[in-house]
Amino acid sequence: DAGVIQSPRHEVTEMGQEVTLRCKPISGHNSLFWYRQTMMRGLELLIYFNNNVPIDDSGMPEDRFSAKMPNASFSTLKIQPSEPRDSAVYFCASSSTSGRETQYFGPGTRLLVL
Amino acid sequence: TQLLEQSPQFLSIQEGENLTVYCNSSSVFSSLQWYRQEPGEGPVLLVTVVTGGEVKKLKRLTFQFGDARKDSSLHITAAQPGDTGLYLCAGDTSGTYKYIFGTGTRLKVLA
Repeated sequence: DAGVIQSPRHEVTEMGQEVTLRCKPISGHNSLFWYRQTMMRGLELLIYFNNNVPIDDSGMPEDRFSAKMPNASFSTLKIQPSEPRDSAVYFCASSSTSGRETQYFGPGTRLLVL
Repeated sequence: TQLLEQSPQFLSIQEGENLTVYCNSSSVFSSLQWYRQEPGEGPVLLVTVVTGGEVKKLKRLTFQFGDARKDSSLHITAAQPGDTGLYLCAGDTSGTYKYIFGTGTRLKVLA
């Protein structure tokens, strides 16, 4: 079975550009999480969705960040405009209702903003 | 505010040695998890503990949840190079499965 799929795996962009990160959760999972990982701050929860609805976005750093989940099999995290301090590894994770304590992480998108 | 402090931050040991890493907080957790993350990959869940004083074993790994559910430890017996990685603890304070992660312990086991 396919795990969580993220694309792209690597992204290099220039400051001010729009960046869109994509995630396909595990089929049948109804909770989806976006995290950001840096050396300084570790792994931080940005936002999570349950049944495609954003439940908690208190971790989204500022208005430049937005996330959507138009259907159960797809989510995006957008940064517009991007800044060098946004450079990090962004992870998507999903979990099911019956096993909500078990999150399955994707391989991450390594973002570098120059 | 970092709710979860992990120690040590870095640990380099020889194959066959034992080690313990710690995860501490001033908050009470409804559940606490341990993950291992290898370079270029996402974290992988190792265990979830929910009861104060609970001990769980996973082969050579022993996990303990503190009696007051504020801290946890991970003990590895006879470490192997395959144990190398970043060990993260994560705690849920609200019972909503919203986990907050510690900063991690980076373990390197030398052959």
